[in-house]
Amino acid sequence: EVQLVQSGAEVKKPGESLRISCQGSGYSFTTYWISWVRQMPGKGLEWMGRIDPSDSYINYSPSFQGLVTFSTDKSISTAYLQWDSLKASDTAIYYCVRQVQHYDSSGFYYDWFDPWGQGTLVTVSS
Amino acid sequence: QTVVTQEPSLTVSPGGTVTLTCASSTGPVTNDYSPNWFQQKPGQAPRPLIYSTSNKHSWTPARFSGSLLGGKAVLKVSGVQPEDEAEYYCLLYYNGAYVFGAGTKVTVL
Repeated sequence: EVQLVQSGAEVKKPGESLRISCQGSGYSFTTYWISWVRQMPGKGLEWMGRIDPSDSYINYSPSFQGLVTFSTDKSISTAYLQWDSLKASDTAIYYCVRQVQHYDSSGFYYDWFDPWGQGTLVTVSS
Repeated sequence: QTVVTQEPSLTVSPGGTVTLTCASSTGPVTNDYSPNWFQQKPGQAPRPLIYSTSNKHSWTPARFSGSLLGGKAVLKVSGVQPEDEAEYYCLLYYNGAYVFGAGTKVTVL
């Protein structure tokens, strides 16, 4: 079974650092991008960016550039999302999701996002 | 800042049809934007429904369909079921980055 399993909920204070994880299984981890998605309480989904586990090439959303850091450890099929100094506004559920990209015989491009991790709730409060 | 616009809310009767749209602030949505649609219910992770405009996942019920119409991506649900009550998000591709719409809350009444 292809799945992404995320680390557990975290409660942190403003200014603290944090790294959450997303471990893939059931597929070749380095073949597909991993995207990170934020969902603030009661709000919609926000695409934060993606990382290519094969070479750690990263696309950050302009909204998140410089605020978070993506990384991977290929040896354990795990992607990470990291903050150096958390703010209360970082309180949210964070999802990782595998992105599959495919070109058919006609050269038509397809991409889809599956599976999703179960989400990691990060609470930042003094 | 690119903005993807969806209807904030729609209400539909069981058995009816509801059409959700997804527009881009940059202009008409085309297949190049590779529209993806997701369903999310409270307390759950998003569930993919449609990818690359009109392609269904193996688990996507037949009553869901995706297309382009009038410069927008469209998700149509025909024969709505009570379990279709949920938030629906579209996702568009922009040269290496993606942007979600704000979501449409579909109520089945």
